[in-house]
Amino acid sequence: DAGITQSPRYKITETGRQVTLMCHQTWSHSYMFWYRQDLGHGLRLIYYSAAADITDKGEVPDGYVVSRSKTENFPLTLESATRSQTSVYFCATTSSRTGIYNEQFFGPGTRLTVL
Amino acid sequence: RKEVEQDPGPFNVPEGATVAFNCTYSNSASQSFFWYRQDCRKEPKLLMSVYSSGNEDGRFTAQLNRASQYISLLIRDSKLSDSATYLCVVNGMGGSYIPTFGRGTSLIVHP
Repeated sequence: DAGITQSPRYKITETGRQVTLMCHQTWSHSYMFWYRQDLGHGLRLIYYSAAADITDKGEVPDGYVVSRSKTENFPLTLESATRSQTSVYFCATTSSRTGIYNEQFFGPGTRLTVL
Repeated sequence: RKEVEQDPGPFNVPEGATVAFNCTYSNSASQSFFWYRQDCRKEPKLLMSVYSSGNEDGRFTAQLNRASQYISLLIRDSKLSDSATYLCVVNGMGGSYIPTFGRGTSLIVHP
């Protein structure tokens, strides 16, 4: 049971390029999240999705695009990468449903460097 | 004021010590509370949920004080392997399913 996976694990790209980070889960959890983590800021929510075809902005959505055509996948795209988007990106899921707030499960992260 | 606040530390303690972390949250309507552990350059993982009655898991004890709006984590008999960052997480603020993370408290256990 793979659980939640992210790919690539490491990525180096150049300013202005489009980059897509993949997130895949095998649990059929309804909620999926994308975070970035930088020193001094902790985890910051970029986008989240409550179900397939339902996405919403988090705290720092500018410069990012998400989609969720299938429950199990939640790709994050940097349309035109900037150096400030150099970070560690974590995908997470939770099975929360009405009235129940469950724990989150995180993927292993993607280390992105924008040159 | 941040919705979830933690002392960033680092807390530098010798093996065998007892150490306690606190976390305060701003929304009294918050529903659920967790402590996560994050090792350097790894993903956060659930350490324990925090219940109103308090709960214990081996050397770890978590407590919730709704009146004062804080949660705590107590680690007894610290081990070198306890060195990590501990994240406080609050969920259900205003009915939202979006967890709110504290910035984490760094713990360093030395020999």
